[in-house]
Amino acid sequence: KAGVTQTPRYLIKTRGQQVTLSCSPISGHRSVSWYQQTPGQGLQFLFEYFSETQRNKGNFPGRFSGRQFSNSRSEMNVSTLELGDSALYLCASSWGGDRVTNTEAFFGQGTRLTVV
Amino acid sequence: GQQLNQSPQSMFIQEGEDVSMNCTSSSIFNTWLWYKQEPGEGPVLLIALYKAGELTSNGRLTAQFGITRKDSFLNISASIPSDVGIYFCAGQLRDSNYQLIWGAGTKLIIKP
Repeated sequence: KAGVTQTPRYLIKTRGQQVTLSCSPISGHRSVSWYQQTPGQGLQFLFEYFSETQRNKGNFPGRFSGRQFSNSRSEMNVSTLELGDSALYLCASSWGGDRVTNTEAFFGQGTRLTVV
Repeated sequence: GQQLNQSPQSMFIQEGEDVSMNCTSSSIFNTWLWYKQEPGEGPVLLIALYKAGELTSNGRLTAQFGITRKDSFLNISASIPSDVGIYFCAGQLRDSNYQLIWGAGTKLIIKP
């Protein structure tokens, strides 16, 4: 069973540019969450998509957006990049439904974004 | 917003020592999850807990769901060098829209 796949693994962008990151969840999982992690920091929640709808949102500016497709794959977009956006962006997938075990989240390896 | 207090922030331990870390909150949780993250990688799920008082082991790791449903701890017995990394707790609040709340992590460092 394939795990969570994030592409690309590494990315270098210039300030002011925009970037799109991709996440393919585990087959059958309907929930995809995105997190930002800066060096030495914990996981900062960006947003969660479930069945193509944003179900939860963290406290990030509107430059950060996302979407989910009918096959549960998700993309995250950051517009007008700032130096402070340099981070490891992690995607996690879960079943996302009502059963208690549906909260178990499985992470991809992340996309390391560097803004110069 | 809701917070999980994870402690300690970091630990320096000798190989062979037992390790204990915990997460506490003023809120009630339905689920507790423990993860380990190694440099440059995504967190990996170690143990999942679903019931108050539940005690679950995964090899040398043991985690417990607190009776009050407001806390959880993780123990690692007889630590080895590959245990180094950052351990995160995460919980799903009783009254939440399925969102996980995360601790700030405990960094485990083996003394040379």
